Amino acid sequence: EAGVTQFPSHSVIEKGQTVTLRCDPISGHDNLYWYRRVMGKEIKFLLHFVKESKQDESGMPNNRFLAERTGGTYSTLKVQPAELEDSGVYFCASSQVAGNYNEQFFGPGTRLTVL
Amino acid sequence: AQKVTQAQTEISVVEKEDVTLDCVYETRDTTYYLFWYKQPPSGELVFLIRRNSFDEQNEISGRYSWNFQKSTSSFNFTITASQVVDSAVYFCAPRDNFNKFYFGSGTKLNVKP
Repeated sequence: EAGVTQFPSHSVIEKGQTVTLRCDPISGHDNLYWYRRVMGKEIKFLLHFVKESKQDESGMPNNRFLAERTGGTYSTLKVQPAELEDSGVYFCASSQVAGNYNEQFFGPGTRLTVL
Repeated sequence: AQKVTQAQTEISVVEKEDVTLDCVYETRDTTYYLFWYKQPPSGELVFLIRRNSFDEQNEISGRYSWNFQKSTSSFNFTITASQVVDSAVYFCAPRDNFNKFYFGSGTKLNVKP
């Protein structure tokens, strides 16, 4: 069974440009989460989808970030316009059930570098 | 909200040594869940162990064991007879009742041959 995949693995853009990150969860997983780790800091929660609906987007830093999950399958996270402080690693995770004891499976992350 | 402290930024051991990774957390929740994840050089986060807050029984799973003490809010993780392949960054991560993980800053473990 394929795990969570993320594309691209690494993106280098200039300040002011737009970048779109993609996450493909494990097939059949209704729950999809985005996290990010800004350089030197903790991994922080961004948002949670249940199918195509945003269950919790309290971790989204500002309105330059837009996440979508059309059709309840893959998700995209767009940063527009990108700022220097957006550099970091963006992780996606999925789980079959949203219960507290359920494991979230993480993807390899997308390393975003904003110059 | 929850807060996690992993005071050990980096640890180096020689293969076959035992190593304990410390984790102290803060939470106002009465029930919560505790996880450890490993991030090898390949980058993905790999699930290791989990424990719920009302079960303080400590267990051993292969070379992994953990010591959960609710009274001190600690959830320490031990690797017995470490191997080079254990080299990675280890994250302690409580999860609240809304499925949010609160990750620590991670402890980088270097296991030397």
